[in-house]
Amino acid sequence: QSALTQPASVSGSPGQSITISCTGTSSDVGDYKYVSWYQQHPGKAPKLMIYEVSNRPSGVSNRFSGSKSGNTASLTISGLQAEDEADYYCSSYTSSSTLGVFGTGTKVTVL
Amino acid sequence: QVQLVESGGGVVQPGRSLRLSCAASGFTFSNYGMHWVRQAPGKGLEWVAVIWYDGSNKYYADSVKGRFTISRDNSKNTLYLQMNSLRAEDTAVFYCARERLIGDTTMALGYWGQGTLLTVSS
Repeated sequence: QSALTQPASVSGSPGQSITISCTGTSSDVGDYKYVSWYQQHPGKAPKLMIYEVSNRPSGVSNRFSGSKSGNTASLTISGLQAEDEADYYCSSYTSSSTLGVFGTGTKVTVL
Repeated sequence: QVQLVESGGGVVQPGRSLRLSCAASGFTFSNYGMHWVRQAPGKGLEWVAVIWYDGSNKYYADSVKGRFTISRDNSKNTLYLQMNSLRAEDTAVFYCARERLIGDTTMALGYWGQGTLLTVSS
């Protein structure tokens, strides 16, 4: 099972919106609603930001939103803030024998 | 509140074995699927293994299949990862993580421990 493909880096100015893509296959992202997104600050454990493609856990800002089209999922951060600077990872349930896979990760920089 | 505390990491020689533990508290451990996820130094997250809430099903990443075994003791609220035939490329911080919802296994990992570092080196 190969990792889902994400851009290595995305940047934006405060207040802008950015979108991170997560490309998989018809065996994972394309076939399941079980796509999640995680935020990880340096030296910290990951934090769940989006589950089941577009749902936000309690306490996560509504500036974070998720969507999916075909084999590609996306995370959009609107009204970018300095605190959003972090690494972001997607994950998906997969029909392969392994069950789970993460994306390659995207470093978000707030200019 | 939910707490997950990993332990058992350290320095081990290639080819040796080690067992990681994850002590859970603040929730009914036996109701939730549990995962191990690792992160090599400076690298991304890699999903390692999952075990169903009742231990009935287990799945592994191809990179660890046949070498690692995930297990749980619901009477002790503890998750384990037995790692055999360790390689240098297994060097990583290992996190245990809990599924977001009772009974589900959907790769939505709502709670994470702080991680324990495994270094495989001679």
